[in-house]
Amino acid sequence: GQQVMQIPQYQHVQEGEDFTTYCNSSTTLSNIQWYKQRPGGHPVFLIQLVKSGEVKKQKRLTFQFGEAKKNSSLHITATQTTDVGTYFCAANNDMRFGAGTRLTVKP
Amino acid sequence: KAGVTQTPRYLIKTRGQQVTLSCSPISGHRSVSWYQQTPGQGLQFLFEYFSETQRNKGNFPGRFSGRQFSNSRSEMNVSTLELGDSALYLCASSFLSAGELFFGEGSRLTVL
Repeated sequence: GQQVMQIPQYQHVQEGEDFTTYCNSSTTLSNIQWYKQRPGGHPVFLIQLVKSGEVKKQKRLTFQFGEAKKNSSLHITATQTTDVGTYFCAANNDMRFGAGTRLTVKP
Repeated sequence: KAGVTQTPRYLIKTRGQQVTLSCSPISGHRSVSWYQQTPGQGLQFLFEYFSETQRNKGNFPGRFSGRQFSNSRSEMNVSTLELGDSALYLCASSFLSAGELFFGEGSRLTVL
């Protein structure tokens, strides 16, 4: 199956700083989903991107799908302590997840 | 609407034993997928069932198996347990195959 690479593996930021995680695939994706898993919790769906070049926003979160539909990013503006958790992308062609980016926020 | 229910939540087994985990999806969801989560390996896809048929399978040995019943409830079985099988096993349901996934709280398996 296809491989989805996600970077960085860890990110530690000061509260108020921005944060970005990236997903890259060697093959074209039909769509990509993003999930957030809080410490001790289970993954929760955030969004799905389907169209080439698509950009969606949810408050301080901005999601992008690359023009070639091979990469995607999640950007958080002005992080808060509530943003702590692991963010996963999922290439839903075959339900495989990236390794996740673990975000910690220092108050 | 009840969420995805997984049982048992915690269990301890010894090497060589077998284990069966259960997942009840959200009412109306016909797709159930299973994932293994370990600290170093992230979320590893095991398999997906849709309307009682296995539609997709990950790269796990044959010791890992699953099935889905007519009411969409699913079970996964791991035989001849190994220490490396210790993990959180997550079940997720969706209305459509490859749709938005709703995860259960997971079953945490410890193999001694």
